[in-house]
Amino acid sequence: GIQVEQSPPDLILQEGANSTLRCNFSDSVNNLQWFHQNPWGQLINLFYIPSGTKQNGRLSATTVATERYSLLYISSSQTTDSGVYFCAVGGFGNEKLTFGTGTRLTIIP
Amino acid sequence: GAVVSQHPSWVICKSGTSVKIECRSLDFQATTMFWYRQFPKQSLMLMATSNEGSKATYEQGVEKDKFLINHASLTLSTLTVTSAHPEDSSFYICSAGDRTYGYTFGSGTRLTVV
Repeated sequence: GIQVEQSPPDLILQEGANSTLRCNFSDSVNNLQWFHQNPWGQLINLFYIPSGTKQNGRLSATTVATERYSLLYISSSQTTDSGVYFCAVGGFGNEKLTFGTGTRLTIIP
Repeated sequence: GAVVSQHPSWVICKSGTSVKIECRSLDFQATTMFWYRQFPKQSLMLMATSNEGSKATYEQGVEKDKFLINHASLTLSTLTVTSAHPEDSSFYICSAGDRTYGYTFGSGTRLTVV
């Protein structure tokens, strides 16, 4: 099956800093999503981005499907950005999502 | 749109009893729903794919007799953990959606078996 790796595994930043999270996947996909899991476990859908670039406020994401990676950018970090960020991918003809290993982000005031 | 409701949010049960978790798509019809399991500080692992009107498809290593899945309508899938044991304690999350708009997740159910 598809392998999904995320880096870095842990990231500690001061409030106001910018960060880049990376997701590498081992095969072609037709679905890629970024999620933020809050301390209560809820998965918040950040981006549906199988290719191209999208922006939503302080967050943006870019997926280069031909090179099998995606990047999530967080600018001007806030303490509420803390949590675990997952990317998840789905292959062609297969609706299910395979989750990456996650990046645990901690924003310090 | 694309709201998935999961109930209960948490449950504590005694060893040997069964627990049912419900997953509902509130504003769309879902022919397929997915059930995931997450252990502390780990990623989400797909347990099974729930198909409306037919049998669920289980991932390798998941006991189908322990984790019973029923998808009786286009808006409801249930996961029943039968004869629960402490090792079944975990966070269970359902999801629904499609490849066009992406997948949405329920709020999860934290199961503790004592």
